[in-house]
Amino acid sequence: DAGVIQSPRHEVTEMGQEVTLRCKPISGHNSLFWYRQTMMRGLELLIYFNNNVPIDDSGMPEDRFSAKMPNASFSTLKIQPSEPRDSAVYFCASSSGTSTGELFFGEGSRLTVL
Amino acid sequence: GNSVTQMEGPVTLSEEAFLTINCTYTATGYPSLFWYVQYPGEGLQLLLKATKADDKGSNKGFEATYRKETTSFHLEKGSVQVSDSAVYFCALSDVGNQFYFGTGTSLTVIP
Repeated sequence: DAGVIQSPRHEVTEMGQEVTLRCKPISGHNSLFWYRQTMMRGLELLIYFNNNVPIDDSGMPEDRFSAKMPNASFSTLKIQPSEPRDSAVYFCASSSGTSTGELFFGEGSRLTVL
Repeated sequence: GNSVTQMEGPVTLSEEAFLTINCTYTATGYPSLFWYVQYPGEGLQLLLKATKADDKGSNKGFEATYRKETTSFHLEKGSVQVSDSAVYFCALSDVGNQFYFGTGTSLTVIP
């Protein structure tokens, strides 16, 4: 079975440009999470969807960040405009939504903002 | 609120040494507990889990027991290998399917 699929794997862009990261969760999973990982701050939860509805977006850094989940099989995380401090690895993860189900992570999108 | 506290790293061990990485948690109700492993350049992968008190999760020689009385879920392995070098994360999930991760412990195993 395919796991969580993220694209692009690597993105290098210039400050001020728009960045869109994409995620396809595991089929049948109804919970989707976006995380950011940096050396300084470790693993941070940005936003969490359940049945395509955002449940907790308190981790979204600021208005430059937005996330959508238009259907059960696709989500995007957009940064506009991007800044050098946004450089990080962004992970998407999905779960079945049960209290005992684990999170399945994608391989991550490494973003570098110059 | 819910939280996970795990042993600070980095940890450096010689091959075949015994490994313990401590993890304690704070949670309301009865969380599920997990250990994830992250190899360089990869995403986090589930290593093992336990869903109720006194359960023991095990995988690839690693073990952890859900101890409700001490709110702990320590990771152990009897004999580490160079290939075990990675970052290890302790995590819990609550009844609302929210996940809480520790800060990660970096392990380096030297030959």
